[in-house]
Amino acid sequence: NAGVTQTPKFRVLKTGQSMTLLCAQDMNHEYMYWYRQDPGMGLRLIHYSVGEGTTAKGEVPDGYNVSRLKKQNFLLGLESAAPSQTSVYFCASMKGTQYFGPGTRLTVL
Amino acid sequence: SQQGEEDPQALSIQEGENATMNCSYKTSINNLQWYRQNSGRGLVHLILIRSNEREKHSGRLRVTLDTSKKSSSLLITASRAADTASYFCAAGNNDMRFGAGTRLTVKP
Repeated sequence: NAGVTQTPKFRVLKTGQSMTLLCAQDMNHEYMYWYRQDPGMGLRLIHYSVGEGTTAKGEVPDGYNVSRLKKQNFLLGLESAAPSQTSVYFCASMKGTQYFGPGTRLTVL
Repeated sequence: SQQGEEDPQALSIQEGENATMNCSYKTSINNLQWYRQNSGRGLVHLILIRSNEREKHSGRLRVTLDTSKKSSSLLITASRAADTASYFCAAGNNDMRFGAGTRLTVKP
């Protein structure tokens, strides 16, 4: 039982490049979330999903897209990365409580 | 906007003292959860309190919830140096939103 895993762990992008962050959970949870955390701050909700095939916007959705084609996976896409998207990205799944992945540290130059 | 707002932003105490952190939220919620984060690491769930509960205990942790004031508090009793971390509340229904956190330092 791996819990929540995130791929990759680290990434450096140039402005304008695109990438996809993968979150996978093996707990059969319906709810999944993507957050970003900037230095010294709390987590801000980007997008979330309440089940396969559904997504919803959170607090800071601009510049990001998500997809939940399979129940166990929640993908976060950056179509055209900007330096303001430099952050640590956390994925979580939830059944009652949230279970977090280890995070992806993204730097956009 | 963020749902939970913690207070204080930073708290420094001596080992053995109690630490109290507060959280306020804006909308109606199903539950409120407290998490801990060590520097640069992922979040660890501490305790969940449902909207119909007023108080909950787990070891040295005590959480209260006042839905009329839209606020919660986390009390850590007999603190230890190992409790040094950032503490966050998350509140919501389907969309769990976090506050900015309280940075707790426990001095040995």
